[in-house]
Amino acid sequence: QSALTQPASVSGSPGRSITISCTGTSSDVGGYDYVSWYQQHPGKAPKLIIYDVSNRPSGVSDRFSASKSGNTASLTISGLQAEDEADYYCISYTSTTTLVFGPGTKVTVL
Amino acid sequence: QVQLVQSGTEMKKPGASVKVSCKASGYNFIGYYLHWVRQAPGQGLEWMGWINPNSGATTYAQKFEDWVTMTRDRSITTAYMEVSSLKSDDTAVYYCARGRDPTPHFDYWGQGTLVTVSS
Repeated sequence: QSALTQPASVSGSPGRSITISCTGTSSDVGGYDYVSWYQQHPGKAPKLIIYDVSNRPSGVSDRFSASKSGNTASLTISGLQAEDEADYYCISYTSTTTLVFGPGTKVTVL
Repeated sequence: QVQLVQSGTEMKKPGASVKVSCKASGYNFIGYYLHWVRQAPGQGLEWMGWINPNSGATTYAQKFEDWVTMTRDRSITTAYMEVSSLKSDDTAVYYCARGRDPTPHFDYWGQGTLVTVSS
């Protein structure tokens, strides 16, 4: 059982925006600015799309943005495209100096 | 270019051990952490722990502390992750991932190693 919670699935029409939440506690998400988001397509290794709460690695589309408020981090995908259909995972640093993933959110483009 | 190349598919019986390797190239091996993440079939990602290739220091998720061991050989820029006392629910794809530090910033991943545990 994950210490972080994410919605199991989120869907949206092409061109629209969706937001995925990642809720933890003050011992993880709320306590540190070390939340990352990963995108994973079937059969592939995960890909880093956001690090340190809201930073995008070079080469990642600016349609991906993220933020944090209290114990909840959020990932927003704007201008939804077919290629965005994938699983998305948040992961946070914790007070025990370990890391913990959320259970993942399946994004469907309608 | 940065590459993490993992060892091949493994099939093990319950109670056995498995050692997965992760050969790093294209960067300063001791300048980055290596994290291990696993994914059971149809399930989510699970962080297992990290090793600092410079010092050899490790940190494990509590769940794995007693039966997972991470090591490295600096001379051949390779990290290893050994799981002992395998059970069927250890069947998973195991990934190594390069991290800048103990935080969850994994910029390069290995291709994954499928470990199947079955009698």
